Amino acid sequence: RKEVEQDPGPFNVPEGATVAFNCTYSNSASQSFFWYRQDCRKEPKLLMSVYSSGNEDGRFTAQLNRASQYISLLIRDSKLSDSATYLCVVKEGLTGGGNKLTFGTGTQLKVEL
Amino acid sequence: GAVVSQHPSRVICKSGTSVKIECRSLDFQATTMFWYRQFPKKSLMLMATSNEGSKATYEQGVEKDKFLINHASLTLSTLTVTSAHPEDSSFYICSARDPSLSTDTQYFGPGTRLTVL
Repeated sequence: RKEVEQDPGPFNVPEGATVAFNCTYSNSASQSFFWYRQDCRKEPKLLMSVYSSGNEDGRFTAQLNRASQYISLLIRDSKLSDSATYLCVVKEGLTGGGNKLTFGTGTQLKVEL
Repeated sequence: GAVVSQHPSRVICKSGTSVKIECRSLDFQATTMFWYRQFPKKSLMLMATSNEGSKATYEQGVEKDKFLINHASLTLSTLTVTSAHPEDSSFYICSARDPSLSTDTQYFGPGTRLTVL
């Protein structure tokens, strides 16, 4: 079983739609959670961290369910520029540079006119 | 946010040659840098953790003698792919953490696309 699992997609949605991505992780010791965005042939860029209480940043909302080891990302009013691959990322420790990031394979989003 | 650069952005080489990739933190000192590899349509896989002034820590299955890592200063880490073969063709990405920040964010370089002929 993969450590971090995501539906690879692609999710093809019209502009303005709401779309949700899910992610599950296998390591119950994971403490930090993130969503990254990766454009084609580019490096990943941090979209947002995910906290137990859930957090929102503009059109983006992230949720964490520790009991189910499940993370979600909701994008409202999607824009053409949201087209990218969204990577679910988990980290074992809360702090410290030595704990590695484990990446999911990503979910591809295509927003269409 | 912090800036990390990589050089070169793209390299094409013949099988059997060695290729050096540089990763620099431009506006902060990074005691720890990370090297990842990403094959097409696959996730980023951590290869090794590079620690300034000490030996790198390699992930299971990554040959330390093939992927030489040097982290001689607080702003520079290098990855050398020795005797490269076509199966080493991949997207190599480094990241660094700014220890002066309270967040644990890793900042990624733009990546190096290696093609071995």
